[in-house]
Amino acid sequence: DQQVKQNSPSLSVQEGRISILNCDYTNSMFDYFLWYKKYPAEGPTFLISISSIKDKNEDGRFTVFLNKSAKHLSLHIVPSQPGDSAVYFCAASEKSGANNLFFGTGTRLTVIP
Amino acid sequence: DVKVTQSSRYLVKRTGEKVFLECVQDMDHENMFWYRQDPGLGLRLIYFSYDVKMKEKGDIPEGYSVSREKKERFSLILESASTNQTSMYLCASSSGAILAENSPLHFGNGTRLTVT
Repeated sequence: DQQVKQNSPSLSVQEGRISILNCDYTNSMFDYFLWYKKYPAEGPTFLISISSIKDKNEDGRFTVFLNKSAKHLSLHIVPSQPGDSAVYFCAASEKSGANNLFFGTGTRLTVIP
Repeated sequence: DVKVTQSSRYLVKRTGEKVFLECVQDMDHENMFWYRQDPGLGLRLIYFSYDVKMKEKGDIPEGYSVSREKKERFSLILESASTNQTSMYLCASSSGAILAENSPLHFGNGTRLTVT
């Protein structure tokens, strides 16, 4: 059963506008969340993370928001650029120290010039 | 910059063959992982290792085994390949606990395995 869900398989956005990628999770023990970005023919690369003690983390054009009560997080990209076109994976892990990340199914973002 | 190298980008093997997927990292990371990526299923953990000769099962270890004889190398073994093991395989490494903000997973570029 998928513990981390990305319900939108794809998203298209105009260059310069905001991209919002969503992620939902079911396991209330998750307390650390990450976003990875994947280009074709490459492995995923780490983008940004957030721990459950925060509700927002910002890094340049990328901001991750966490709503623990709704078990929901989102990644905002502002402004979107054509180079942001990639597949974005949401991932989550528990604080227990288990060395496992649970990944969502990914959202393919296309930024239209 | 961390480099995780997977020896093959593409592999085609026959059903029943024994298959070795090799992965090497150059940053002296303690932890190494094997994931498979399938459409609609995301990335799923097969096995991981937190030290030489140590291994732990992930979510989908059936049909696979691993070997970690040296810290920098982590091999995934398909004992008898089957068509349902056709997939993209991704190796990753990390230092310390992956929960730490400064030690995320670093992935290789993947090996696309086709079993016919």
